[in-house]
Amino acid sequence: EVVLTQSPGTLSLSPGGRATLSCRASESVTNNYLAWYQQKPGQAPRLLIYVTASRATGTPDRFSGSGSGTDFTLTISRLEPEDFAAYYCQQYGSSPPTFGQGTKVEI
Amino acid sequence: EVQLVESGGGLVQPGRSLRLSCAASGFRFDEYGMHWVRQAPGKGLEWVSGISWNSDSTGYADSVKGRVTISRDNAKNSLYLQMNSLRAEDTALYYCVKGRDFRVLSPFDYWGQGALVTVSS
Repeated sequence: EVVLTQSPGTLSLSPGGRATLSCRASESVTNNYLAWYQQKPGQAPRLLIYVTASRATGTPDRFSGSGSGTDFTLTISRLEPEDFAAYYCQQYGSSPPTFGQGTKVEI
Repeated sequence: EVQLVESGGGLVQPGRSLRLSCAASGFRFDEYGMHWVRQAPGKGLEWVSGISWNSDSTGYADSVKGRVTISRDNAKNSLYLQMNSLRAEDTALYYCVKGRDFRVLSPFDYWGQGALVTVSS
């Protein structure tokens, strides 16, 4: 299975700052089928980005995804208070679909 | 509005069985793949199982293969997860999740609020 490693584990930033989250795959992700999810405490995850760079419905344009092959990035251009949360990458190009271990973005 | 409502969770002894159900509404259920994803307390996300729109294709995580069966009833807009031989490590919040298209392999665009399964004697 494809193992996804996210870094850093925790990112400490201020509102208005720029967040750069990394997701590295153990092998090339088929068709760059890489998604990003946001999860706030006590809530279910929410799809932000799919197929590396496409924003899901309702995802603000301050969120952007990039990358290909084995290296992917989620960038939050200007952090809003509601963006402080955990973020997970997921590959769905090959079975089983797998998640990274998560990055927590904290104030 | 898409709604996914899980039921059937609870406290169960090791080795026993449990069946989770998910009632879906707000979309054409028979056009989309569906999944179960779990999250152990304080931990990350783990895909458990998925099923295509017409049940022709299913998939299971190695951690549950042989102990779990996913199924769906398109006439009832419902998804199920039969879990047997439960272990302590199966303790988690189980989310019912909608795929973005009809296949098993697709991103997950809507999530339920989860059903808590606790395996303990």
